[in-house]
Amino acid sequence: GAGVSQSPRYKVTKRGQDVTLRCDPISSHATLYWYQQALGQGPEFLTYFNYEAQPDKSGLPSDRFSAERPEGSISTLTIQRTEQRDSAMYRCASSLEMNQPQHFGDGTRLSIL
Amino acid sequence: AQSVTQLDSHVSVSEGTPVLLRCNYSSSYSPSLFWYVQHPNKGLQLLLKYTSAATLVKGINGFEAEFKKSETSFHLTKPSAHMSDAAEYFCVVSNGQGGKLIFGQGTELSVKP
Repeated sequence: GAGVSQSPRYKVTKRGQDVTLRCDPISSHATLYWYQQALGQGPEFLTYFNYEAQPDKSGLPSDRFSAERPEGSISTLTIQRTEQRDSAMYRCASSLEMNQPQHFGDGTRLSIL
Repeated sequence: AQSVTQLDSHVSVSEGTPVLLRCNYSSSYSPSLFWYVQHPNKGLQLLLKYTSAATLVKGINGFEAEFKKSETSFHLTKPSAHMSDAAEYFCVVSNGQGGKLIFGQGTELSVKP
């Protein structure tokens, strides 16, 4: 596609529910990143993929967070048993390859009630 | 460990006057540095990047930044502010391992008519 697309743009859910966020990167981009941005803060790295491989998931806050990219294109970020502290903007970015400039989507704003 | 510190959380300028957004970095080796801009409810847009080719880096929309190793600084400047420059600006360093980005806290730029 022309840019990085994230869906949904907004998600409101009750504490304890599972949520899945989706990222569709720029076509042919090998590398895909997920970041979490709390209100008033800069984005913080969660994990990244190089094609299907997930070399670094050190930023995932707990085992409730997981991400997949099974075919090396679209990726999903799943948060199980959501908690209020999970409320944030979740940003996806892709780059042609590792260590190249990252192009960001508009993000998914997640609110946990 | 790498980090960036943005020295001002908020900067206010008048239209037509110069802009200076300050950033200091910490890195154990030669860093890749970036400035990103975030307009409300939009994705992050890359303004410019430094990757050791030249210390003065020109970006989009008239912005530029100078890498000063002796001062560990990478300040963002623009000679003349426009109303459309009002946004949040992030100074960013890459860890060089997979391209994980480490963001500063952000500087909110306001432009007065």
